[in-house]
Amino acid sequence: AAGVIQSPRHLIKEKRETATLKCYPIPRHDTVYWYQQGPGQDPQFLISFYEKMQSDKGSIPDRFSAQQFSDYHSELNMSSLELGDSALYFCASSPQREGPVNEQFFGPGTRLTVL
Amino acid sequence: AQKVTQAQTEISVVEKEDVTLDCVYETRDTTYYLFWYKQPPSGELVFLIRRNSFDEQNEISGRYSWNFQKSTSSFNFTITASQVVDSAVYFCALSGRMNYGGSQGNLIFGKGTKLSVKP
Repeated sequence: AAGVIQSPRHLIKEKRETATLKCYPIPRHDTVYWYQQGPGQDPQFLISFYEKMQSDKGSIPDRFSAQQFSDYHSELNMSSLELGDSALYFCASSPQREGPVNEQFFGPGTRLTVL
Repeated sequence: AQKVTQAQTEISVVEKEDVTLDCVYETRDTTYYLFWYKQPPSGELVFLIRRNSFDEQNEISGRYSWNFQKSTSSFNFTITASQVVDSAVYFCALSGRMNYGGSQGNLIFGKGTKLSVKP
């Protein structure tokens, strides 16, 4: 079965650089979520999209932006990177079915290291 | 406010022992969903179970079982006859508020419990 694809899997950047993380949801999934997991921490919700529109916003820094494209893939853009941005970034997708809440399928994550 | 508390930071057991991971949640919603995820050392998040607030039946899946008690706002997870492959960080999570448009809410995670199963 197809899973959520995230690219790249690993990324190393210098401080003040920019980074773009990509997420390809499971086919026919219309909702995408981004989470950030710092070392030894729990995943923290950043932002979500439903049918290409931003649907909810969590603790996402102003330096970060994201969007969902017509093919439902999503990109997380991170600018002016700081050391504290080093983390595992997860994308999750979910289908819109009957019933209010569905299982979120997580991608393998992108490990970002800022030097 | 919504919150998930996993009071056990780390648990260490010997293989074949039973182990229970505790999860206590707070929410004002009458409809909500609870989840358990496993995160092995490789880092991916593996879905284990989802439970809605209207279904308090306990569930068993192989060596895994879950006990949901609304009266105590708890959703505990038991591994029977633990194995070395069960070593991982386990997260309990609660669904957030509903999004506009009918999509599901984001997940609120507990801090996780690191389980080490020794041979």
